[in-house]
Amino acid sequence: QKEVEQDPGPLSVPEGAIVSLNCTYSNSAFQYFMWYRQYSRKGPELLMYTYSSGNKEDGRFTAQVDKSSKYISLFIRDSQPSDSATYLCAMSAENSGGSNYKLTFGKGTLLTVNP
Amino acid sequence: NAGVTQTPKFQVLKTGQSMTLQCAQDMNHNSMYWYRQDPGMGLRLIYYSASEGTTDKGEVPNGYNVSRLNKREFSLRLESAAPSQTSVYFCASKAGRATDTQYFGPGTRLTVL
Repeated sequence: QKEVEQDPGPLSVPEGAIVSLNCTYSNSAFQYFMWYRQYSRKGPELLMYTYSSGNKEDGRFTAQVDKSSKYISLFIRDSQPSDSATYLCAMSAENSGGSNYKLTFGKGTLLTVNP
Repeated sequence: NAGVTQTPKFQVLKTGQSMTLQCAQDMNHNSMYWYRQDPGMGLRLIYYSASEGTTDKGEVPNGYNVSRLNKREFSLRLESAAPSQTSVYFCASKAGRATDTQYFGPGTRLTVL
């Protein structure tokens, strides 16, 4: 079993739709959870970061973490064509033999928002 | 403040040739990373350097070597390129704590014929 599982999609939605992106993980040591956005032919950039169970909101984006179920989600409200990108979840553990230096990524979900 | 820069942006090699990918960051970060990204495989860690003077293997280190030249620079070397190393390579850096953001460079697209 992979440490982090993410449905690669692709996901295609109309403009204005609510988008839900999800990842599951198996390593209970993961404490920090991130969502990166990657536009075509660009490097990933951090979109959201959280380290506690519950919801974190930033504009149209909400990150949700459920540590008991080992499940994280990213919700995009009122999706726009400019949100079309690949979304990667990423996680890291507390410092344990240097493991806090490393991120473990999901494979990414390709999202297209159609005008 | 350029962030993370990578050179070259594109490269085509023949099987057996060698090359070095360069990465530099100007954010005074302690940790630096090399990833490869392939379709359907996501980002996979090749090597990382938690701090100046240290390097460690990641998930897919075979066929690669790295050098942390100083705090700013972290290079990735392919000694004898193989077609399986055709990929997009990303360098990243972060300050060092688990909560710090990892910043990525723009990537190098490498094709090995």
